[in-house]
Amino acid sequence: SQQGEEDPQALSIQEGENATMNCSYKTSINNLQWYRQNSGRGLVHLILIRSNEREKHSGRLRVTLDTSKKSSSLLITASRAADTASYFCATGHAGGTSYGKLTFGQGTILTVHP
Amino acid sequence: NAGVTQTPKFQVLKTGQSMTLQCAQDMNHEYMSWYRQDPGMGLRLIHYSVGAGITDQGEVPNGYNVSRSTTEDFPLRLLSAAPSQTSVYFCASSYSTASSGNTIYFGEGSWLTVV
Repeated sequence: SQQGEEDPQALSIQEGENATMNCSYKTSINNLQWYRQNSGRGLVHLILIRSNEREKHSGRLRVTLDTSKKSSSLLITASRAADTASYFCATGHAGGTSYGKLTFGQGTILTVHP
Repeated sequence: NAGVTQTPKFQVLKTGQSMTLQCAQDMNHEYMSWYRQDPGMGLRLIHYSVGAGITDQGEVPNGYNVSRSTTEDFPLRLLSAAPSQTSVYFCASSYSTASSGNTIYFGEGSWLTVV
């Protein structure tokens, strides 16, 4: 079963605009990570936020986490055409058989038009 | 530093054939895993390993076998290919538990078509 559900499934914006993607999950997590996938390529790690954190920044990326609502958002500011890709959230769960693995959402396809 | 290397990149199999997807990492990572990616399904975990000699099943293990004889290699074997196994396969590794916040490094993917 999919832990992370992402919204929207697809997002189309103009260069320079901000892009916001949301991720919801169902069970308690240890951390939540965001990955990017360019067409035909593997996934690349963007940013990680732990369950005791509420907000993190990395360059033009801003991630928030609301554990009470079991949701996270990824904001890309001043988007560029090169940001066009699929973005996935992935949740990490502590202990037991969750050892060493993440559960991925279905992803948001972001298209940034020049 | 090559990271995570998968081979082959593309493969077409006939139903019933067997094959092995190779995965190697040169980062001395303990944790390795295999995911499959299908349209609208995100990534689903097939098998994973927490160290040489130790493997365990993920979410969708049926039809696949793995072994981990060395830290570097984690091959995925399709025992008798079925059209439902047509997918993109990703190998991944991490230094320690991703669940505790370690970054996963992915290979570039293997596109498998079963006809």
